[in-house]
Formats: sequence, C-alpha cells, structure tokens
Amino acid sequence: DTAVSQTPKYLVTQMGNDKSIKCEQNLGHDTMYWYKQDSKKFLKIMFSYNNKELIINETVPNRFSPKSPDKAHLNLHINSLELGDSAVYFCASSWTGNTDTQYFGPGTRLTVL
Amino acid sequence: GEDVEQSLFLSVREGDSSVINCTYTDSSSTYLYWYKQEPGAGLQLLTYIFSNMDMKQDQRLTVLLNKKDKHLSLRIADTQTGDSAIYFCAETAGGTSYGKLTFGQGTILTVHP
Repeated sequence: DTAVSQTPKYLVTQMGNDKSIKCEQNLGHDTMYWYKQDSKKFLKIMFSYNNKELIINETVPNRFSPKSPDKAHLNLHINSLELGDSAVYFCASSWTGNTDTQYFGPGTRLTVL
Repeated sequence: GEDVEQSLFLSVREGDSSVINCTYTDSSSTYLYWYKQEPGAGLQLLTYIFSNMDMKQDQRLTVLLNKKDKHLSLRIADTQTGDSAIYFCAETAGGTSYGKLTFGQGTILTVHP
C-alpha cells in the first residue's frame, strides 16, 4: 500500500548507456514531479506533469525525457548517461489546488561509472 | 528568483528543544513546508504552514512564520535521537506554479544522548 513507489531503488551503469526510472502513485493525485538530489543533498525540481501534460521543465538537458502514460505514472528516461548524472532521483505527487503538499517516493540512487 | 536558505548543522542533547531556521526571498510564497530525510530514505512531510498564518503546532512540532522578515522556524520539543536527520525547508508559490517546490540546502540535526 505504498503511496509513491519508484523502481529501481539502486541503479549502477556505465557512461553512455540509456536507462529508465519508473514512478507510480496510488494517491489519486493529478500532478507528479521528478527531483534530483546531488551529493551535497541539494534538491532541485526537474519536471512536473499535471494530468499527463508537461508543466515544468527546469533547464534539464534534453537527454532526460519524462513520460507520463497516465496520471498515476511518471517515468524518467535518460539517454547517454554522464558521470554528472549520478545522484538520487525522487519522484513526488500532489493534488493541485489543495495545499500542493507533495508526497515523495523513496528515491532511486543512480551511479554512473 | 526564489531562494531558500538554512543553516547547515545543528547539534543538541536528547531532551532539549531544537530550533531550525529558514529564510526565503519569494514574497509570493503561499505555502511553506518542513520535510525530514533520514539516511538513505526519501523525504517525509512533517508539517506545512500557509503564508497567512503566524504559527502552527502539531504535537512536538511548532512552526513559526514571520512573513515580514521572510523567516520560518521549526521547533522540535523534547528532541529524541530518532529525530536525527536532515530537515528541509521548502516553499511554493502555488497557483500556476503547479506546486513547484524550492528547497533550502537542508539542516543536519544531530541529537546526542
């Protein structure tokens, strides 16, 4: 009965590879987000989707492509992985128009070698 | 643009009160949040306060908001070793920002027995 889930929890891969991270929420929320947390624990928003429509795209390289097949899912595909992509990626969801309170998934630790 | 600042470290003894401070620059902030992150885990929402409130209390947690000075604080009464974690302050302007959260850099709280 996890509210926001992400897979995988850990991802170790070589530079240049393409990988995907999946996110699902069962809270009935209409907005989903991807955040990146760097090695200094700084959190920054990457994307948000509202009702499957891209709303926020924060100067993220176009190697990162989010995809929302439905309101409950927001996946993140990363092409041509670089060393600097190593971070923890968090998915979150919220119901807009309320308090915008966002609920976070457990995170995916991506390590690029 | 938006900017949220926090002190990086706080160390307290078990049983004492902890006060974590945060300042923000966006005068259109609608909601302000406190999140807790334990090692290797995701972000757990602790509490939030609407910008037209001065104070909110929730069990051991007290949030104080000084909107004039754009200063937010989180007080944890009777701090326990289980409270050791990183605490993030975050703000959102709501409305058309679609819940875009801007985070502070996090305060590492260490509770000594």
